[in-house]
Amino acid sequence: QLQLEESGPGLVKPSETLALTCTVSGGAIRGSSHYWGWIRHSPGKGLEWLGSIYSSGSTYYKPSLQRRVTISVDTSKNQFSLKLRSVTAADAGVYYCARHPGIVGSNLDYWGQGTLVNVSS
Amino acid sequence: QAVLTQPPSVSGAPGQRVTISCTGSSSNIGAGYDVHWYQHLPETAPKLLISANFNRPSGVPDRFSGSKSGTSASLAITGLQAEDEAEYFCQSYDRSLGTYVFGTGTKVTVL
Repeated sequence: QLQLEESGPGLVKPSETLALTCTVSGGAIRGSSHYWGWIRHSPGKGLEWLGSIYSSGSTYYKPSLQRRVTISVDTSKNQFSLKLRSVTAADAGVYYCARHPGIVGSNLDYWGQGTLVNVSS
Repeated sequence: QAVLTQPPSVSGAPGQRVTISCTGSSSNIGAGYDVHWYQHLPETAPKLLISANFNRPSGVPDRFSGSKSGTSASLAITGLQAEDEAEYFCQSYDRSLGTYVFGTGTKVTVL
């Protein structure tokens, strides 16, 4: 059974960079033919897809966040990561990682249980 | 803001049938993109419940069913059980935004 688990600081200061990692177990990212993405749930915007990375390393970002978001993959550790720069209070919320089979119109078939991130000085 | 609109809450007695609507627009559901449904219990990973409008992944009870028409989709739960008390949300793709989009979420309460 595939499992995903998010990890990272629960508190980030305004203007700094939020960095989270998703560790995948029960299956390999390398050669998986799947996309690996980040979704967040915030009080102001509800659920919001932030971006995804294909197992080969190609990235896809939400257009409005493209300047601040970077997603990378480390297949040797079976992990993928999110960096969100210049955070504000609006970036606080629960961050989820998930797997999806396609990039347009696909479902998200496996999710992590989420990690709460607060933004405060 | 979430792009797809759902009722904030629905409730029903055990054994009853409840439905949850998911209303979108011509740039997402109405454009022909699939709608997927998820069940989310607190402190757990969201679980894929219905894929591509009406398909149940392996292990999902057949009391859960999905449908889609025009710019909307629906999730029905028949024979409501106490363990079905959870939040449910829909998801699709929006061609104007170029992103996955999600519903506002519906809390199902079993009376």
